[in-house]
Amino acid sequence: DAKTTQPPSMDCAEGRAANLPCNHSTISGNEYVYWYRQIHSQGPQYIIHGLKNNETNEMASLIITEDRKSSTLILPHATLRDTAVYYCIVRVAGKTSYDKVIFGPGTSLSVIP
Amino acid sequence: DAGVIQSPRHEVTEMGQEVTLRCKPISGHNSLFWYRQTMMRGLELLIYFNNNVPIDDSGMPEDRFSAKMPNASFSTLKIQPSEPRDSAVYFCASSFETGFYNEQFFGPGTRLTVL
Repeated sequence: DAKTTQPPSMDCAEGRAANLPCNHSTISGNEYVYWYRQIHSQGPQYIIHGLKNNETNEMASLIITEDRKSSTLILPHATLRDTAVYYCIVRVAGKTSYDKVIFGPGTSLSVIP
Repeated sequence: DAGVIQSPRHEVTEMGQEVTLRCKPISGHNSLFWYRQTMMRGLELLIYFNNNVPIDDSGMPEDRFSAKMPNASFSTLKIQPSEPRDSAVYFCASSFETGFYNEQFFGPGTRLTVL
């Protein structure tokens, strides 16, 4: 079973920030939080990951709470091309341990003109 | 880099026929994953290879499904015999397991329709 819970859908106005929440209350100390997204009819695409510090890259920012039980993916200026299903995943990272990647249903984000 | 390459992109076949899906991972990647996506079940991991060796095939639905990775640059997923319930989009993904993070790169998928 997926280790995360996300709202099934969200809307965001074009040009505004999209804040996508994820609950992972049972996360272990060695598990990272990953975000992927899937635009219609394409394969999932990696966005960002983090362990306990906030992270930012050219696509998004990831804010992880201090207790690590939840996180928020922020798309600072959403565009129509950001309309997609966003998946929050937790898993152990490292070649010494195999941890199955489990995709939950994700959040369907609709960016509205 | 061309990314993960999958073929065919679309496959329509009749029930009972053998279906072979192909995947070429990104050069240098040492891990390969096969996923299946349907409306009902979402995105499911079928099998995971590391250094060409199957590590976890617990997601393979039944004996009709088999996967091979004869070398680092090629993998196949075979369904024999195919059934209508196998209709889905099948994704192949690859990654380089560095011990730091494991970003997976997905191919465009193969849309399989079994009539």
